[in-house]
Amino acid sequence: QEQMVESGGGVVQPGKSLRLSCAESGFTFQSSGIHWVRQAPGKGLEWVAVFWHERTKTKYADSVKGRFSVFKDNSKNIFYLHMDGLRPEDTAVYYCARDYGSSWFGHWGQGTLVTVAS
Amino acid sequence: QSTLTQPPSVSGSPGQSVTISCSGSSTDIGTYYRVSWYQQTPGTAPKLLIYEVSYRAAGVPDRFSASKSGNTAALTISGLRTQDEADYYCSSYSNINTWVFGGGTKLTVL
Repeated sequence: QEQMVESGGGVVQPGKSLRLSCAESGFTFQSSGIHWVRQAPGKGLEWVAVFWHERTKTKYADSVKGRFSVFKDNSKNIFYLHMDGLRPEDTAVYYCARDYGSSWFGHWGQGTLVTVAS
Repeated sequence: QSTLTQPPSVSGSPGQSVTISCSGSSTDIGTYYRVSWYQQTPGTAPKLLIYEVSYRAAGVPDRFSASKSGNTAALTISGLRTQDEADYYCSSYSNINTWVFGGGTKLTVL
């Protein structure tokens, strides 16, 4: 069964760091890339970042640029969203989603909740 | 990056049709055919409905259709059913390799 599984969420103090993981399983073909999308409580979806396999290229939303980074551990085939300098406004459920054609998000994980609070 | 504009809510009776609009700009919807739509029910992850403006994802009934004109995309749901009650989000690729979402539309089936 094709699925994406996130982990690593939790409660963290403002200014601290946290790293989320995303694992793909059951897919026949490697994705072109992985997106991270977040949803603050009761709010809409916000695109956060993308990691493309080709040339290990990344791109970030302005709201997280310079604080968040995305990368892949090829030995474990796991994608990561590393978050530094967390702010209360970063509180959200974070989803990883499979990129299709640099166009749409085809498979989504179940999400992992990050709460930034003192 | 700005967000796409969707109506906060729409409603309809079973069997009726509703259309959800998604307004963008020349840097996203107006230029690219990379518009997609997602359905989200409470406590669950978004689910892909439509990709590349008008193509239905696998398993999505043909009651769901979508299009775009100029800077605006639209999702139409015909033959409304109670199980269609959900939040709907549009998304578009934007220039410089970023993506934007609409604010979401809550569909109520009366």
